[in-house]
Amino acid sequence: QVQLQESGPGLVKPSETLSLSCIVSGASITSYSWSWIRQPPGRGLQWIGYISYSGSPDYNPSLKSRVTLSVDTAQNQFSLELNSVTAADTAVYYCARSPRYCSGGTCYPLHFDSWGQGTLVTVSS
Amino acid sequence: DIQMTQSPSSLSASVGDRVTITCRASQGISNYVAWYQQKPGKVPKLLIYAASTLQSGAPSRFSGSGSGTDFTLTISSLQPEDVATYYCQKYYSAPLTFGGGTKVEIK
Repeated sequence: QVQLQESGPGLVKPSETLSLSCIVSGASITSYSWSWIRQPPGRGLQWIGYISYSGSPDYNPSLKSRVTLSVDTAQNQFSLELNSVTAADTAVYYCARSPRYCSGGTCYPLHFDSWGQGTLVTVSS
Repeated sequence: DIQMTQSPSSLSASVGDRVTITCRASQGISNYVAWYQQKPGKVPKLLIYAASTLQSGAPSRFSGSGSGTDFTLTISSLQPEDVATYYCQKYYSAPLTFGGGTKVEIK
């Protein structure tokens, strides 16, 4: 059974970089697409971006200028960096897995079938 | 970018009631829609994918329908454990957008 576990600092100072990792167990990171999703306190879900072992990452246009996703196949984990953070970036951050549909050499992410338990990141001085 | 508009934003219904939540896409998206249930303080859980396919382990009182721009999540007989916020989501092409959520409460 797949398990996803987020890790990283729970407190980040304004203007600094938020860095999180998601360790995947029970599934190969090369076989799926992997996303980051966040949820500010009391609010809805916001997709941040996804990455696959093959292919370029894709990002939410509203965050694209500040986000970098990467994947480490040796450690079976993927990571998020969000720079120049403000209080508006305070949220629970989830990592999630998507099966993929591949056609003509291009793969597309499908629904989120497994989620990490989430980690609260607070941006404050 | 394609927007996903969910309605209502909240509802209150009695145990045993049939509950319907709708999600409208700003452009046609075939059947690339999933529905998630998030109970208070918990992780979102996949209920429905491909607009109408019930995820393994999800109760059969949940069903989904729709294609193109209009999608529906139905709870055939509302149970106390269904108190949660429900989200629709489009996938396949980025951005992978969520609807704003529908909070379901018991009357």
